[in-house]
Amino acid sequence: AQTVTQSQPEMSVQEAETVTLSCTYDTSESDYYLFWYKQPPSRQMILVIRQEAYKQQNATENRFSVNFQKAAKSFSLKISDSQLGDAAMYFCAYEGANNNDMRFGAGTRLTVKP
Amino acid sequence: DTAVSQTPKYLVTQMGNDKSIKCEQNLGHDTMYWYKQDSKKFLKIMFSYNNKELIINETVPNRFSPKSPDKAHLNLHINSLELGDSAVYFCASSQDAAPNEQFFGPGTRLTVL
Repeated sequence: AQTVTQSQPEMSVQEAETVTLSCTYDTSESDYYLFWYKQPPSRQMILVIRQEAYKQQNATENRFSVNFQKAAKSFSLKISDSQLGDAAMYFCAYEGANNNDMRFGAGTRLTVKP
Repeated sequence: DTAVSQTPKYLVTQMGNDKSIKCEQNLGHDTMYWYKQDSKKFLKIMFSYNNKELIINETVPNRFSPKSPDKAHLNLHINSLELGDSAVYFCASSQDAAPNEQFFGPGTRLTVL
């Protein structure tokens, strides 16, 4: 079974600084997808970024980028120029390309200090 | 040990039918959730219960009715199923109310024909 681990229950960053959230996963599949979701205090989930495992290039969405290390099974999220609105829970997720089973990490709470 | 379990894993049914999805957690958490994930992987919170009481009820058709017989269970009943209900439904639990560390179930893929 695939598992997703977010080893940082909480992280803190100063406004305008950069922060990296860690995510590792365990799989025997070669083709899969990885996601980062954001859950702000409004509680609605926002899809921040996604990565296809067959793509070597790291995905980027504005201030959000990932460091995808396939061999290490690592998928970290980097937030540049952190803003107060980035404060939220961040969930990492894995989905196998063959079975479409999605697995979530338990989340990392990000606090942004003004 | 399965922390958050859902049954069934797959559910294929006809339009107009009524169906239920069950969720159970053995983590001793006080709060449970239902999320709906569409084909584009967008995830939306639908409901949240804390100690068997409804605390989040997002804009969801009233054909969807959550039921929490005890704090370890949160079932989702859907009446008069429609094509647009086809999605993957995830259950999750946490010790405190979201946004908080949450443990997700494996998901139930609902297909309405």
